[in-house]
Amino acid sequence: ETGVTQTPRHLVMGMTNKKSLKCEQHLGHNAMYWYKQSAKKPLELMFVYNFKEQTENNSVPSRFSPECPNSSHLFLHLHTLQPEDSALYLCASSPQTASTEAFFGQGTRLTVV
Amino acid sequence: AQTVTQSQPEMSVQEAETVTLSCTYDTSESDYYLFWYKQPPSRQMILVIRQEAYKQQNATENRFSVNFQKAAKSFSLKISDSQLGDAAMYFCAYYYTDKLIFGTGTRLQVFP
Repeated sequence: ETGVTQTPRHLVMGMTNKKSLKCEQHLGHNAMYWYKQSAKKPLELMFVYNFKEQTENNSVPSRFSPECPNSSHLFLHLHTLQPEDSALYLCASSPQTASTEAFFGQGTRLTVV
Repeated sequence: AQTVTQSQPEMSVQEAETVTLSCTYDTSESDYYLFWYKQPPSRQMILVIRQEAYKQQNATENRFSVNFQKAAKSFSLKISDSQLGDAAMYFCAYYYTDKLIFGTGTRLQVFP
């Protein structure tokens, strides 16, 4: 356990559903990240939050909507997804920047049917 | 744009032997950080080793060491005395400002 918890671990949703992924850390970190991990592709950085402010949006489609209500929690709201959005979604946190170490959760395996 | 390339999708090694995983990256920056992360079947990424670009000395963590060639933009990971528990996906990563950029990963198999 690295101190970063993601729920749910697995999620199957239809293309018309709305669901949310949750990430929680109580490590006192100020930066949180969402990554998408697809087979045979590099981990794709989606969003970066630093002190609750979004500092990076890596050209992510608007069907993915992040929310960071405080430094300990990060959400990824999903709506009208496509089958190609099926992937492992990883959350990470770091003290302020990831220059020392980023701590990762175990990910949510998302399947869009 | 910064990119990280891992040209070996899969590698295998015999237990107790040594294996080297390759990584190259592209950047115009002079001060940055490089990492190797391990992702076992549990899916949780774990930091293996970290290198600051301004340091010439190669980082070492027990059985893990790196060969950092800044001019060549190369950052390979050497695992000595390989153990069954080393079997995992290994990701090379580059960090600058807010971005931690990963390569495609190398799957390492360890045979007894």
